[in-house]
Amino acid sequence: KAGVTQTPRYLIKTRGQQVTLSCSPISGHRSVSWYQQTPGQGLQFLFEYFSETQRNKGNFPGRFSGRQFSNSRSEMNVSTLELGDSALYLCASSPRGGVPGELFFGEGSRLTVL
Amino acid sequence: QQQVKQSPQSLIVQKGGISIINCAYENTAFDYFPWYQQFPGKGPALLIAIRPDVSEKKEGRFTISFNKSAKQFSLHIMDSQPGDSATYFCAAKPYNFNKFYFGSGTKLNVKP
Repeated sequence: KAGVTQTPRYLIKTRGQQVTLSCSPISGHRSVSWYQQTPGQGLQFLFEYFSETQRNKGNFPGRFSGRQFSNSRSEMNVSTLELGDSALYLCASSPRGGVPGELFFGEGSRLTVL
Repeated sequence: QQQVKQSPQSLIVQKGGISIINCAYENTAFDYFPWYQQFPGKGPALLIAIRPDVSEKKEGRFTISFNKSAKQFSLHIMDSQPGDSATYFCAAKPYNFNKFYFGSGTKLNVKP
């Protein structure tokens, strides 16, 4: 079974630009979560989608948004990029939504903002 | 405010030794406590997890000890191996949300 796939793996943007990251969950998984990982803040929850609906949201500004498609694939978007947005963005899928379950992480998309 | 506090930040252990990483939490709504292992360039992978109705869970060389009254849990790696060298994260999840709170991570280095 294929794991969680994230694209692109690496990208460089400049301040003020926007970026879209993509995540394909494990087949059959309907819950997709996004986390930001930085050396200073560790792993921080961005949001979770289940059946195309955002169910939970972390404490990030509105520049961070996401969506989920009917095939459970998800995208997250960051607009008006700031230097502090440089991070590893991790997507994770879960086999069941709303019930404690294992998070299956992808390898992440490493964003550098110059 | 960090909901899950993890220590130490880094740890050096000799091969064959015991690695111990500690975490503490405050939110009594947490009911699922996993540990994740992350190698450079990879995403975190679940290592072992525990629920608060048990005080200990063992899987191979990895053991979670859980103290509900103290709101603390720890990971013990027995017979540590160089291949265990990685960053370890504890986490906690409330019973009604699929939202995980992670500790700050412990970088483990097992010396041959």
